[in-house]
Amino acid sequence: SQTIHQWPATLVQPVGSPLSLECTVEGTSNPNLYWYRQAAGRGLQLLFYSVGIGQISSEVPQNLSASRPQDRQFILSSKKLLLSDSGFYLCAWSVGGLVGYTFGSGTRLTVV
Amino acid sequence: QKEVEQNSGPLSVPEGAIASLNCTYSDRVSQSFFWYRQYSGKSPELIMSIYSNGDKEDGRFTAQLNKASQYVSLLIRDSQPSDSATYLCAVNILKGGGTSYGKLTFGQGTILTVHP
Repeated sequence: SQTIHQWPATLVQPVGSPLSLECTVEGTSNPNLYWYRQAAGRGLQLLFYSVGIGQISSEVPQNLSASRPQDRQFILSSKKLLLSDSGFYLCAWSVGGLVGYTFGSGTRLTVV
Repeated sequence: QKEVEQNSGPLSVPEGAIASLNCTYSDRVSQSFFWYRQYSGKSPELIMSIYSNGDKEDGRFTAQLNKASQYVSLLIRDSQPSDSATYLCAVNILKGGGTSYGKLTFGQGTILTVHP
């Protein structure tokens, strides 16, 4: 069966520090991968998606970046965090264009 | 107009009642529609998917789709306190045709509280 792992679960970082969140998927090949952010009391905002190794599309310009160094690994990064980067970060995967996602357990990031 | 809009809520229903959650979307060519449940502090969980007009039933949940009206709803029968959560509507917005690579656009969510 397919599983998705996301870590860390909770992170408190100072403003201006770097960020690296990792997501891996098991039990499937060539998944579509997605990073979403959910700010407090708000909806899910798509940040990046990837349909293959090294293929990254950005939905919202900001100080975050994403990479996909391996088929089932998706990384979200920042060189310098802002207070506005705080939120609940969710990685998700799907296979195909018409099926729903499966989300990871999420990382709650607080920038202080 | 937002691409996916849900009734703002919060919605409170007594245990055993029917909870009705509504969602409208802007893209006429959208093909895939989903309902997710999100418990406080947790990630969203897919509970229903629907692709064609009409009703789709799964246990106590029924999803209804009307593409002509660009409307999708979720009914929860015999609501239980464990159904208390935020319900997110998600739509595969195609934005002028072509593949969207499975990208889903989510509504803001409706908070449902089922009280004993």
